[in-house]
Amino acid sequence: KNQVEQSPQSLIILEGKNCTLQCNYTVSPFSNLRWYKQDTGRGPVSLTIMTFSENTKSNGRYTATLDADTKQSSLHITASQLSDSASYICVVSGSGGSNYKLTFGKGTLLTVNP
Amino acid sequence: EAQVTQNPRYLITVTGKKLTVTCSQNMNHEYMSWYRQDPGLGLRQIYYSMNVEVTDKGDVPEGYKVSRKEKRNFPLILESPSPNQTSLYFCASSPGGALHFGNGTRLTVT
Repeated sequence: KNQVEQSPQSLIILEGKNCTLQCNYTVSPFSNLRWYKQDTGRGPVSLTIMTFSENTKSNGRYTATLDADTKQSSLHITASQLSDSASYICVVSGSGGSNYKLTFGKGTLLTVNP
Repeated sequence: EAQVTQNPRYLITVTGKKLTVTCSQNMNHEYMSWYRQDPGLGLRQIYYSMNVEVTDKGDVPEGYKVSRKEKRNFPLILESPSPNQTSLYFCASSPGGALHFGNGTRLTVT
């Protein structure tokens, strides 16, 4: 069964600190992995998309890594800001096309405190 | 402005009263999909559509219907809502890569 597991479930950090969120998946075959940010009460917004051949991709202070051999991804947030407080969702796409058979993680709830 | 628009944002209804949640996108995307989000369960796909007149079931399609008569619209229909369909619903569209989500519809069925 395809699964996406995210850790930790929740995380509290101080403003200005760095943090790393984890995503492990068992989706096979693999097409791509995405990270989304979801602010409270809003729809998720795409941060990065990585295919099998990509090891790292950055979007401002967000850097995602992918190890397709171990089926692990991480999202690193540098110099956190209060606006980074949100849920971060890892989504893996299986075979058949970019949006076919998406498997969603349950998300990591990040709280950035002043 | 490129966007996915869902209506209504909030809806309270009673068991068995048919309802429709509308979704419209102005980006000419072929792919559209519906999700529900429940505490502790994350986002789960209800239905998706790869193009006009092409729809398919996601992971939790029971109790829902969809139609895709034109590219921009993808309504979600609950023929006979039940309390277990109380949830936060999201519509999304995509050109083939990242999903673009609407801002959600919070549905309560009493």
